[in-house]
Amino acid sequence: AQSVTQLGSHVSVSEGALVLLRCNYSSSVPPYLFWYVQYPNQGLQLLLKYTTGATLVKGINGFEAEFKKSETSFHLTKPSAHMSDAAEYFCAVSDSGGSNYKLTFGKGTLLTVNP
Amino acid sequence: DGGITQSPKYLFRKEGQNVTLSCEQNLNHDAMYWYRQDPGQGLRLIYYSQIVNDFQKGDIAEGYSVSREKKESFPLTVTSAQKNPTAFYLCASSPRQGLDTEAFFGQGTRLTVV
Repeated sequence: AQSVTQLGSHVSVSEGALVLLRCNYSSSVPPYLFWYVQYPNQGLQLLLKYTTGATLVKGINGFEAEFKKSETSFHLTKPSAHMSDAAEYFCAVSDSGGSNYKLTFGKGTLLTVNP
Repeated sequence: DGGITQSPKYLFRKEGQNVTLSCEQNLNHDAMYWYRQDPGQGLRLIYYSQIVNDFQKGDIAEGYSVSREKKESFPLTVTSAQKNPTAFYLCASSPRQGLDTEAFFGQGTRLTVV
C-alpha cells in the first residue's frame, strides 16, 4: 500500500518568509500525489496535484510543489507567506486495491504565520 | 451551486446511541468516501463506495456502517459499538475512478459524545 509521511507536525514562519512543508512518499509504482489545505472547522480544499509530466506543479494561492523521484519527495513551497496561509496542510497519495481507488493522507502540518 | 453537503454541522450523542451523519452531493460523482479526523492523526478512511449499492471498508470501519442506495447520498451511521466516536467526520466525492482523480470535500460534521 502507498503511504505518505509529513515531516513536522507544526511549522511556524514570519509573514513574507519562505514556506516549506515536507512530504515523502512510499510507493512501489509511480505515485499520484496531492496537497490539500484545511482551514479551522472546514473541509479540505485541493491546492495542487502531481499525476504525470512536469515535475514542478503550480497550484492555487501561489503554492507549488516539486516531485523528486530520487528523493521520494513532494515538498510544498511558497516564496512569501501571507497571514491568510495559516491553516493545516495535508499531503496525500492515490492508492488502488483492484478496481477501487482511494486517497491516503499524511498526518498533516499546521502552518502558523507570525506578523 | 454544485457541492457536497454534510449535515448537521455539530452533533451530540449520548453513549450507547446510534447516530447517522448525512452526506449529499449534486456533482454527479460516482465515488464517495467517509474519513474520520482526530488531532494529530490526519484523515483515516472509514468506508468508500465507487458505485451505487456497493461499498468497501476502509482502514477503521469497525463500529460504523454505510449505505449507498442513491448516487448522490452516502450516509454514515456511528453505532454504539464504536468505542471512541468523538471526532470530526468528513465526506468526500470524486468524479470517476482513477489514480489521478482528486476528491472534493464537504464541510464536515463534528460529533461529540456526551
